[in-house]
Amino acid sequence: DAKTTQPNSMESNEEEPVHLPCNHSTISGTDYIHWYRQLPSQGPEYVIHGLTSNVNNRMASLAIAEDRKSSTLILHRATLRDAAVYYCILSRGSSNTGKLIFGQGTTLQVKP
Amino acid sequence: DSGVTQTPKHLITATGQRVTLRCSPRSGDLSVYWYQQSLDQGLQFLIQYYNGEERAKGNILERFSAQQFPDLHSELNLSSLELGDSALYFCASSVSGGTNYEQYFGPGTRLTVT
Repeated sequence: DAKTTQPNSMESNEEEPVHLPCNHSTISGTDYIHWYRQLPSQGPEYVIHGLTSNVNNRMASLAIAEDRKSSTLILHRATLRDAAVYYCILSRGSSNTGKLIFGQGTTLQVKP
Repeated sequence: DSGVTQTPKHLITATGQRVTLRCSPRSGDLSVYWYQQSLDQGLQFLIQYYNGEERAKGNILERFSAQQFPDLHSELNLSSLELGDSALYFCASSVSGGTNYEQYFGPGTRLTVT
């Protein structure tokens, strides 16, 4: 599976937008880009995923670079509840398994 | 609430013992995944079942085994427990077994081996 690189930590102010970057320079054409987050003392939580086009849902937006070598998770207005570890994960679209290979993720701090 | 339930929430046991962790997937989900989260290894994929059949295996030790039953619930059996097996064990489910489906995680079972 292709590897992703994320900053170890980021800080944000409450009610401001947050852009969480992810580099995946070895991504293949069929790899999906997934984002999950893990709030303190909870299990991971699905955020969003996409293949080529930008995606929006009620939680966030996913902006995928044209060459697909990087992507950005956008939280439009951070709240204190968004403080979590955010994981960017690739999975091969041609695979018959949805297993997720987690890296270290980005720890997001949200300041009031 | 993700709709995935795991029991028990906490388990404390001694080295050499055997335990069973149980997972009930969301209604309608056919695939179940097991993950282990420890401080030194992070979140690691262990094994996946789809509609009763093993679909993928990760870094699962030979002392560990799992199965998915006809009612789709799953059990993870850990035997000959060692101190290093102390971790959070998460179960996740998805509607299908492939890569384009979101996974819903349960609250986890915290295993402490003393």
